[in-house]
Amino acid sequence: GAGVSQSPSNKVTEKGKDVELRCDPISGHTALYWYRQSLGQGLEFLIYFQGNSAPDKSGLPSDRFSAERTGGSVSTLTIQRTQQEDSAVYLCASSLAAVLGEQFFGPGTRLTVL
Amino acid sequence: KNEVEQSPQNLTAQEGEFITINCSYSVGISALHWLQQHPGGGIVSLFMLSSGKKKHGRLIATINIQEKHSSLHITASHPRDSAVYICAVGGGADGLTFGKGTHLIIQP
Repeated sequence: GAGVSQSPSNKVTEKGKDVELRCDPISGHTALYWYRQSLGQGLEFLIYFQGNSAPDKSGLPSDRFSAERTGGSVSTLTIQRTQQEDSAVYLCASSLAAVLGEQFFGPGTRLTVL
Repeated sequence: KNEVEQSPQNLTAQEGEFITINCSYSVGISALHWLQQHPGGGIVSLFMLSSGKKKHGRLIATINIQEKHSSLHITASHPRDSAVYICAVGGGADGLTFGKGTHLIIQP
């Protein structure tokens, strides 16, 4: 079956612009995660969604970051007023169960802020 | 916050050698994950462990909950095993906490 998909695969933007990244999880997976992978910081957790529940936003790096998940499926990560330090690969993962669920990662969106 | 340490950071070996990568963590966990990332590639889940040992083909993962330690073994290593291997713990509301990864190169 289809894996986790993300779009766009690459995004180049100018500093100060807003960007929206999309994640389509595996059908039936209730848990959805956003992570960021950058050269300086390695892999870091951003936010978690369980079904339709409101997420804990404390892992987001700044208030310029927001995320939503509509209908317990597709999720979007929005970065407002992008900065050069936001340049990274943004990864989405989904799993069938939360704590004891194997996570399946999408291919990522490579964001470059000029 | 859990601290995840991996060793070695870099490992170069000859084809056919037995490979061991180690992971230790500071706080008790429900699950530990081993992930693989080929150069320029995506992240693939190899194992999720909460106790004992798992085996997939030439890969074996073990975990010792009391010692807060896990190992990933590769038997009869092959150049296609060259990748970054990442240990991660957690899941659920706190997401995964990742180690820095082990860069493995298998030379023919």
